[in-house]
Amino acid sequence: SQTIHQWPATLVQPVGSPLSLECTVEGTSNPNLYWYRQAAGRGLQLLFYSVGIGQISSEVPQNLSASRPQDRQFILSSKKLLLSDSGFYLCAWRGQGIFYEQYFGPGTRLTVT
Amino acid sequence: GQQVMQIPQYQHVQEGEDFTTYCNSSTTLSNIQWYKQRPGGHPVFLIQLVKSGEVKKQKRLTFQFGEAKKNSSLHITATQTTDVGTYFCATQSGGSNYKLTFGKGTLLTVNP
Repeated sequence: SQTIHQWPATLVQPVGSPLSLECTVEGTSNPNLYWYRQAAGRGLQLLFYSVGIGQISSEVPQNLSASRPQDRQFILSSKKLLLSDSGFYLCAWRGQGIFYEQYFGPGTRLTVT
Repeated sequence: GQQVMQIPQYQHVQEGEDFTTYCNSSTTLSNIQWYKQRPGGHPVFLIQLVKSGEVKKQKRLTFQFGEAKKNSSLHITATQTTDVGTYFCATQSGGSNYKLTFGKGTLLTVNP
């Protein structure tokens, strides 16, 4: 069966520090992968998506970037964090069933201080 | 891109009461997906609707897709404390990216 991992689970970082969040998927190949941010426990904002290795599409211009160095690895990065980057970051992959639903990882709760 | 509006933002009910959340769009939707996010957790897929007027049931949950495919609803009969969480609707764009556009969600709290 497929599983999706994210780490770390929680992170407290000072303003101006770098960021690296990792997401890995097991049990599937060539998945569509997505990074979302959820602020204040509410709506999900799509940040980036990837349909293959090295292919990244950005939905929202910001100081974040994403990379996909391997088929089942998706990384979210920042060179300098802002206070507004605080939130709950969720990685998801597109299922291969008839509905193409998305399966989410456990998320990383980031607090920028 | 397509947008979906959800109402209400919050709903507090007594255990045993019914609950409904609505998802509306100004444009025709190709599909609607519903997700549930428990407090502190991640969204979990519940169901997808694709046909005009479609109705699907999962135990106490009833999902409907409007005839014009511009709105959808999720109805919970006789809520339980386990129903607590945020319910999101989402619509999927076409193409190979399968992006989802989420509504802002309805937070349901249940008083035991």
